[in-house]
Amino acid sequence: NAGVTQTPKFQVLKTGQSMTLQCAQDMNHNSMYWYRQDPGMGLRLIYYSASEGTTDKGEVPNGYNVSRLNKREFSLRLESAAPSQTSVYFCASSVDRVGTDTQYFGPGTRLTVL
Amino acid sequence: DAKTTQPPSMDCAEGRAANLPCNHSTISGNEYVYWYRQIHSQGPQYIIHGLKNNETNEMASLIITEDRKSSTLILPHATLRDTAVYYCIVRGWGLTGGGNKLTFGTGTQLKVEL
Repeated sequence: NAGVTQTPKFQVLKTGQSMTLQCAQDMNHNSMYWYRQDPGMGLRLIYYSASEGTTDKGEVPNGYNVSRLNKREFSLRLESAAPSQTSVYFCASSVDRVGTDTQYFGPGTRLTVL
Repeated sequence: DAKTTQPPSMDCAEGRAANLPCNHSTISGNEYVYWYRQIHSQGPQYIIHGLKNNETNEMASLIITEDRKSSTLILPHATLRDTAVYYCIVRGWGLTGGGNKLTFGTGTQLKVEL
C-alpha cells in the first residue's frame, strides 16, 4: 500500500514549456486534490475532483488543467509554464465520508520555471 | 470556513509536552477542528480532528473549549522528530469533494530542542 504517489519529484522547465504532473492513490478514495505551496506559505488549492469524471476549480486554477483519468489517477497539466508557477505541488486524496475526511498527501513535486 | 489564528512559532524542550494553541472565534456549529503538520517541506500529515469533545489518539490530544472558540493540540512527550509546522484548520462538514478542501494558513513552527 503506497498511499499517494507523485511523479516526478523534481522538474526544471523553461518559460513556455508544458508538462504534466502525475498523481496516483491506491486507497480507493473518491476525492483527489492538487495544491501548491510557495516558500513560507500555506498550501493553496488549485483543482479538486470529487469523483471519477468530475473536476472543479479551487482557489488558484489559472494556468492549470486537470484530468481525473480514473478513480486512482489525477493529473495536473501546465500548458505554458511561467516563473510564477515555480512552487512545490502536492496531490492529496480522501475517502470523503461524513464525519471523517482525512486527507492523505503525496511527497510533492518541486517545480522550477526559469 | 472559519478563520484560525495561531502563533507563528513556539519552542519546546524534548521530552516535555508541547501545547499548541489555536483561536477560531467565528467557528459555527457544524465545523470541525483539524490539525495537520508538515515536516520540512514533506507532504502534510494528518494528526487529529474533533467537533466539540476532547479527542486523543496515538499521536496527540485535542482539547476544545466549551464555547468551541479555541483549541489546543497537545503532544505529550515532544521529540526532535516533532519539529514541524503545525496547521489548525476549521472546516464544515456536509459538503462533498471540493467542499472538503482544507484551507491552510501559515501555521505554527514548532521547534523541539534538546
